[in-house]
This record gives sequence, structure tokens and C-alpha cells, in this order.
Amino acid sequence: GAVVSQHPSRVICKSGTSVKIECRSLDFQATTMFWYRQFPKQSLMLMATSNEGSKATYEQGVEKDKFLINHASLTLSTLTVTSAHPEDSSFYICSAPGSGGTYNEQFFGPGTRLTVL
Amino acid sequence: AQSVTQLDSHVSVSEGTPVLLRCNYSSSYSPSLFWYVQHPNKGLQLLLKYTSAATLVKGINGFEAEFKKSETSFHLTKPSAHMSDAAEYFCVVRPMFSGGYNKLIFGAGTRLAVHP
Repeated sequence: GAVVSQHPSRVICKSGTSVKIECRSLDFQATTMFWYRQFPKQSLMLMATSNEGSKATYEQGVEKDKFLINHASLTLSTLTVTSAHPEDSSFYICSAPGSGGTYNEQFFGPGTRLTVL
Repeated sequence: AQSVTQLDSHVSVSEGTPVLLRCNYSSSYSPSLFWYVQHPNKGLQLLLKYTSAATLVKGINGFEAEFKKSETSFHLTKPSAHMSDAAEYFCVVRPMFSGGYNKLIFGAGTRLAVHP
């Protein structure tokens, strides 16, 4: 099946710094990718839809200036958490929809655990 | 509004006994429904999906789920649990309306523990 990777898998940063998380589709192209946030013992919440060649679409309540999304190519989307604060500590997961025979399925990355001190 | 409710946050079973993870959904339209599994420090893996075809859906690793429109349910079952089934399970609905075709709404998750 299709594979989505994320880098880094884990990051610890100081409050006020910015952190970039990469999401790559390894063996397929993705014009759209999705970014989710998962707090401990909670479910995944969609943050934004990343669109190749256009602006990202953010869900209600998600600050677009704080969570910068860039869909640089058909296989790469990045999420930058700017001026991170402890409340931004979470598990960030990306996904990309399949194509062809797997168009009904979304493929998820392994996630990035962000800890802001 | 679309939503999905997983009725149990934790389920504990003995190895070799049946598994039942319950899920109810709310949707104004005919939704697509999915079950995903998340092992620690790993990405979500699709177990099975319902997309308006057969109401009894068979997935990987012996799991299956039945779509019951009258009960708005999509419970996940497995006849015999294995130790490797211990993980977090998410019931997911994909609303069938334009503009949100690929958006997924996740349930809160059910943590399955399997004891020897």
C-alpha cells in the first residue's frame, strides 16, 4: 500500500521557537494532504487541508498564522508551528488520500510528537 | 452535523475470546465509514471500510463490521482476539457532501487490551 512518512518523529523545543514538520508521500503523488492534531488520550482533530499550488484551508479555530502550511510539491507538505508554546505540545499526524483503486482510503503518517518546554 | 460516537473508551478481553468495539454515527447523508487501528508510535492503518456496498464488511486480520442503518451503528467485531490486536481503534465517518469528500471525522477511540 501507499506509504506516508513524517519527519521528525519526535521533537522537543523551547517556548517561543518554531518547529517544522515534514509529511511525504513516498510512492504516490498527493495534491491534497491533511494535518491532524491528537492530544493525549483524545481523538484526532483535523487542523487543515494542505493543497499543492494553493493556500491551505484551515478548520475553524485553527490559527493560520501560527500553523503555517506549505505544500511545496506533489509529495511534500510541511507544517510549521511558529512561536510554539507548551499548549502546542501534541501529536501531529498527516494523511494523504489514495488514488486510483485506493481513492476511498487515506494513508496516514506515523506522527510527530511535539513537546514544548 | 456529522459525528461518530465510540461507546467504550476501553475494552479488555482475554486472548481467544471475541472482540466487540461499538460505534454509532450521525449523518444526514449516506456516509462512508471506516475503522482504523493505531499501534503505539505508528501511523493509523485501515482495517475496513463501508462505502454503500455490502453491509457486512470484512477487513484485515479477521476483523469485520456490519453497517446497520436502522441503528446508525457500525460495530467492529473479531471472533478470536490475538495479543497483537492490542491497540487503539478509531471509528471514522466521511461525510458525503461536496467540498468535504476527503474530510474524516474521528471517534474518540477505543483502547483494546488483550490478556493472556
